[in-house]
Amino acid sequence: GENVEQHPSTLSVQEGDSAVIKCTYSDSASNYFPWYKQELGKRPQLIIDIRSNVGEKKDQRIAVTLNKTAKHFSLHITETQPEDSAVYFCAAGLGGSSNTGKLIFGQGTTLQVKP
Amino acid sequence: GAVVSQHPSWVICKSGTSVKIECRSLDFQATTMFWYRQFPKQSLMLMATSNEGSKATYEQGVEKDKFLINHASLTLSTLTVTSAHPEDSSFYICSASQGGRSPTQYFGPGTRLLVL
Repeated sequence: GENVEQHPSTLSVQEGDSAVIKCTYSDSASNYFPWYKQELGKRPQLIIDIRSNVGEKKDQRIAVTLNKTAKHFSLHITETQPEDSAVYFCAAGLGGSSNTGKLIFGQGTTLQVKP
Repeated sequence: GAVVSQHPSWVICKSGTSVKIECRSLDFQATTMFWYRQFPKQSLMLMATSNEGSKATYEQGVEKDKFLINHASLTLSTLTVTSAHPEDSSFYICSASQGGRSPTQYFGPGTRLLVL
């Protein structure tokens, strides 16, 4: 069945360093790849997303890259700050008017940014 | 924009009782709503997908008679946990999507259920 693998499960970096989280997906039909940030006890918040017709997208310190051939995508956070500490989830799904929009989530990465 | 509310935020109930959780999209019409379950330090596990006015689609292994989902309007979906047992204790989160060309899911704040 559909599956999304996310690595690493935990990541600890020094403030100011970069952090990279990687995901691979199994369904080659997937065309929508969002990333969510979840702080303890709170709801997941969308931080960036990318569609399959784009290879890279950037929003300030956050960037996402997509390699459709290899079926993997990555989240890059530069100049990390303590407030970036949270659990990050990648997801893959099918967007478009004829699809349900269902997402399959990765296992999550706990990012700790040390001051 | 794109705010989703969920009520209640937490509930404690006795084993055997039923609990209803509401999910509302406050400033947009949600063609599709999703219900997830999240265990501590784990990922989001999709339970079911519901479209307004039609029956929900349940994921494999999720008992449809135990987790009743109703999506009566474009802004409201409800999840009823029937005859709750301690193993149903969990964090339940809904999300809402406008669907179509806008697949983004916006999440509610979640409901923490404890069944005694």
